[in-house]
Amino acid sequence: QVQLQQSGPGLVKPSQTLSLTCAISGDSVSTNSATWNWIRQSPSRGLEWLGRTYYTSKWYSDYAVSVKSRIAINPDTSKNQFSLQLNSVTPEDTAVYYCVRGGKYSGWYYFDNWGQGTLVTVSS
Amino acid sequence: QSVLTQPPSASGTPGQRVTISCSGSSSNIGSNTVSWFQQLPGTAPKLLIYSSRQRPSGVPDRFSGSKSGTSASLAISGLQSEDEADYYCAAWDDSLDGYVFGTGTKVTVL
Repeated sequence: QVQLQQSGPGLVKPSQTLSLTCAISGDSVSTNSATWNWIRQSPSRGLEWLGRTYYTSKWYSDYAVSVKSRIAINPDTSKNQFSLQLNSVTPEDTAVYYCVRGGKYSGWYYFDNWGQGTLVTVSS
Repeated sequence: QSVLTQPPSASGTPGQRVTISCSGSSSNIGSNTVSWFQQLPGTAPKLLIYSSRQRPSGVPDRFSGSKSGTSASLAISGLQSEDEADYYCAAWDDSLDGYVFGTGTKVTVL
């Protein structure tokens, strides 16, 4: 059974960097049968996919156009976890952030395991 | 901002059938599969449907999905009080090169 455990601060100052980590149990971040995603949810923007990292012969990362210039999602194979860094945050980045596994079904990836969510507030 | 359009609300009495629509475009629903999620208050979304019509193990067969052209639907038959939740659709978008979600539908059991 896959479990994702999120950690990181709930309050970030404007212009600073939001950093969250997602520890994986029951699967491997290096598997070639899953992707590892960050999704956020806010009343104003709804559910928004931010990006993913995954391994198929080498590591890849894809990012949403809306945050591409200030985001990084990286794996940490030594700790079996992955992380989110979002730079230059504004109050618009206030949201509940989820780490999510994209499990492989019939050749496609679907969001089948979600972390508990972390409310991150951007405020001075 | 959500790219897929859903009705904001839907309702029914216990035992009834409720259908939720999800409208997209040729770059998302029109060319890729759809997934559906149920979100109970205060919890993370849960995968209900993948590949437009498949259910993960453990999801009751009261939930069914379909897709036609650039639209998809989720049907809940034999509505139960525990089905009261928010429901979201999602799909990959080839133009945006990323996943897009629906605006969400709140289902109320009367």
